[in-house]
Amino acid sequence: DTGVSQDPRHKITKRGQNVTFRCDPISEHNRLYWYRQTLGQGPEFLTYFQNEAQLEKSRLLSDRFSAERPKGSFSTLEIQRTEQGDSAMYLCASSLGGSEQFFGPGTRLTVL
Amino acid sequence: GENVEQHPSTLSVQEGDSAVIKCTYSDSASNYFPWYKQELGKRPQLIIDIRSNVGEKKDQRIAVTLNKTAKHFSLHITETQPEDSAVYFCAATNSGYALNFGKGTSLLVTP
Repeated sequence: DTGVSQDPRHKITKRGQNVTFRCDPISEHNRLYWYRQTLGQGPEFLTYFQNEAQLEKSRLLSDRFSAERPKGSFSTLEIQRTEQGDSAMYLCASSLGGSEQFFGPGTRLTVL
Repeated sequence: GENVEQHPSTLSVQEGDSAVIKCTYSDSASNYFPWYKQELGKRPQLIIDIRSNVGEKKDQRIAVTLNKTAKHFSLHITETQPEDSAVYFCAATNSGYALNFGKGTSLLVTP
């Protein structure tokens, strides 16, 4: 499968724990995006990278959230001190420049 | 920031009928309007998109229209089939990267 992949697909954690998600974009896509989707809502933009540079962060991305794309390929999204309100589907997408954004299958986070 | 409103939230049609979903946006600088289809438990997939220099675009049974003056755009699906049943999201962006999505329309096509 040459599409966007995400790992893990599901994560259950206790409140206060740290979690890290990984996204592997379509190879040669220079842009990578993170979105969050809660039940009954559309995806909400969190942040985006062009190559290894993080160029934009939504105000939804609190200080407990950090994202990296160290070599301009895969990306990680870390949430520190998780809260119940962080429970959501975390979607990654990639694109070649400003063209179509291809989404991954998402990581579903449940914070108990 | 950009605000995208989508209507209706649910839509039920009989197989073979047409379905129309409407979205409005607030930022007149928005210039790219994609539509995504999301089946239950699956990733959003682009079905059609339109840029602000075009008023209408068609791809087989799917068409999108854009009215920049009124700041609204619509998705039209003709000859609906049961496999069209899914949640459809409209989105708009003026930045070229941050897509602002509507809340989605759950479409049910009954045989």
